[in-house]
Amino acid sequence: QKEVEQNSGPLSVPEGAIASLNCTYSDRGSQSFFWYRQYSGKSPELIMFIYSNGDKEDGRFTAQLNKASQYVSLLIRDSQPSDSATYLCAVNTGFQKLVFGTGTRLLVSP
Amino acid sequence: EAQVTQNPRYLITVTGKKLTVTCSQNMNHEYMSWYRQDPGLGLRQIYYSMNVEVTDKGDVPEGYKVSRKEKRNFPLILESPSPNQTSLYFCASSLRRQRTYEQYFGPGTRLTVT
Repeated sequence: QKEVEQNSGPLSVPEGAIASLNCTYSDRGSQSFFWYRQYSGKSPELIMFIYSNGDKEDGRFTAQLNKASQYVSLLIRDSQPSDSATYLCAVNTGFQKLVFGTGTRLLVSP
Repeated sequence: EAQVTQNPRYLITVTGKKLTVTCSQNMNHEYMSWYRQDPGLGLRQIYYSMNVEVTDKGDVPEGYKVSRKEKRNFPLILESPSPNQTSLYFCASSLRRQRTYEQYFGPGTRLTVT
């Protein structure tokens, strides 16, 4: 079992819809969770982090964490074509060590 | 401007010819790390450094070396590159924090070993 799992996609949504990206992790001791956006050929860019159970909102983005289910998600409201990218889930499994999922490709069609 | 820089951005080389990829950050971050990214495998950590003169292996360290003589620089050295080291390489840095651990990535170096 991979430490951090994501569906590779692509996840296709129409412009204006809500995109829901999901991630599961295997290490129950994980403390913090991150979502990175990566455009093709570019470096990952941090967009959200969360470390407490529940929801965390930042603009159009909401991160959701459920530690009991070992599940973290990212919701993107009012999706735009510019949101089309690969979204990487990363989990801090120990001090200063991040483990990344392989990413979910999101396609937002106009 | 706060940033992580890498050089070169693109490199084509031949098997066995030693090379160094430089990484520098201007944010006074203690922690630096090298990753490689391959299709279907995602980002995998090669080496990391908690601070000057403190380095440790990540998940895929074979064939790589690093050094951290200054806080701002963390070069990645391939003593004898092989074709299986063809990949996209990223350097990243972050402050040492208790819970939040935001890594900032450099622009990447695309390496091809023939």
